[in-house]
Amino acid sequence: SYVLTQPPSVSVAPGQTASISCEGNNIGTKGVHWYQQKPGQAPVLVVYDDSDRPSGIPERFSGSNSGNTATLTISRVEAGDEADYYCQVWDSSSDHRVFGGGTKLTVL
Amino acid sequence: EVQLVESGGTLVQPGGSLRLSCAASGFTFSSYSINWVRQAPGKGLEWISYISSGTNTIYYADSVKGRFTISRDDAKNSLYLQMNSLRAEDTAVYYCARGYTRSWGAFDIWGQGTMVTVSS
Repeated sequence: SYVLTQPPSVSVAPGQTASISCEGNNIGTKGVHWYQQKPGQAPVLVVYDDSDRPSGIPERFSGSNSGNTATLTISRVEAGDEADYYCQVWDSSSDHRVFGGGTKLTVL
Repeated sequence: EVQLVESGGTLVQPGGSLRLSCAASGFTFSSYSINWVRQAPGKGLEWISYISSGTNTIYYADSVKGRFTISRDDAKNSLYLQMNSLRAEDTAVYYCARGYTRSWGAFDIWGQGTMVTVSS
């Protein structure tokens, strides 16, 4: 089965840029989606198809995907961005949806 | 308002059965694929099942295949998950999540979740 690997934690100071990676075999050939989950809440889609944003998501959230690594970038980080972030793909070989293990973003 | 609301979660004994429901409102339910995703306490998200609109194509994660059954009733705007032969490792918050029509495989609307605890 397809495996996505994320760093368990990332820390960043307010106003700086946070980058969260998601590694998978040839992930650059797949569409990658990113979710934000705050404690006690349901996940929220923040980036889909590598780099597109749903309506209502700030432009500070962006994504890229190439080779074996996809990246979620959050610019001008705010305290309210502190959350768990998950990458996700559709594995066409199995028709399964797959999540990464999640990354806890801490705003210092 | 576009909304998904799960229900049916409770405490159940190992080996028991449970049926979860997901009620949709604010959109044309029959036009969308829907998924079940779960999250064990303190753990990450795990996709467990998918049902398409129209053709009712269905997929399951290996962890639940043969034990769980997804279904939908478009007349009632509802999704279901029949869970049999429950195990302690099935303990989790269960979310229903709508397939995003602008993407293949993303989930744009999530319910608030319902807690299932499998314990004696």
